[in-house]
Amino acid sequence: DIVMTQSPTSMSISVGDRVTMNCKASQNVGSNVDWYQQKTGQSPKLLIYKASNRYTGVPDRFTGSGSGTDFTFTISNMQAEDLAVYYCMQSNSYPWTFGGGTKLELK
Amino acid sequence: QIQLVQSGPELKKPGESLKISCKASGYTFTDYAMQWVKQAPGKGLQYMGWINTQTGKPTYADDFKERFVFSLETSASTAYLQINNLKNEDTATYFCARLGYYYDGTYYWYFDFWGPGTMVTVSS
Repeated sequence: DIVMTQSPTSMSISVGDRVTMNCKASQNVGSNVDWYQQKTGQSPKLLIYKASNRYTGVPDRFTGSGSGTDFTFTISNMQAEDLAVYYCMQSNSYPWTFGGGTKLELK
Repeated sequence: QIQLVQSGPELKKPGESLKISCKASGYTFTDYAMQWVKQAPGKGLQYMGWINTQTGKPTYADDFKERFVFSLETSASTAYLQINNLKNEDTATYFCARLGYYYDGTYYWYFDFWGPGTMVTVSS
């Protein structure tokens, strides 16, 4: 199975910050990576698909990039409602696999 | 609007079985496959597998081939997850998620709608 390693595991941030997190695949997954946001007590929500495509209705402060084994997710202007855990997931090879998550906390 | 409604929380003893439901509405049920995802308390997301809603054929990730069964009641637009011979490590929230897609000459699949999750507690 492909292992997705996210870093860092947590970040202390302030409103207005630019936030960048990473996801590294154990083998080449092309552009087949999605990013999901999970707020406390809620189900995950799709933000970015195919590495860099923003899903319907997702604010443009969320961006994704990368291909092959290295992927980046950025929030350009952190808002309080963006506090959550963010997961990458590869859909290049079955079984699809999630990263361990990056948790955003207020400083 | 598209919704996935899951059944309520469960408290079970080791060795028992349970069946979780995921009822879809707002779209044609058989047009989209259904995925299942496990989240243990305080942990990340773990992909369990999927079921083809047209054929009923399930596909399981390796960790979920032994005691887990995906099934459908197509007439009720409902997918089910059954867990047999429950173990303490099955304590988790289980999510169903629709497999949506994007087409630009080739298909790209993603989990576009999720149920709220069903919390399962296994304890003697």
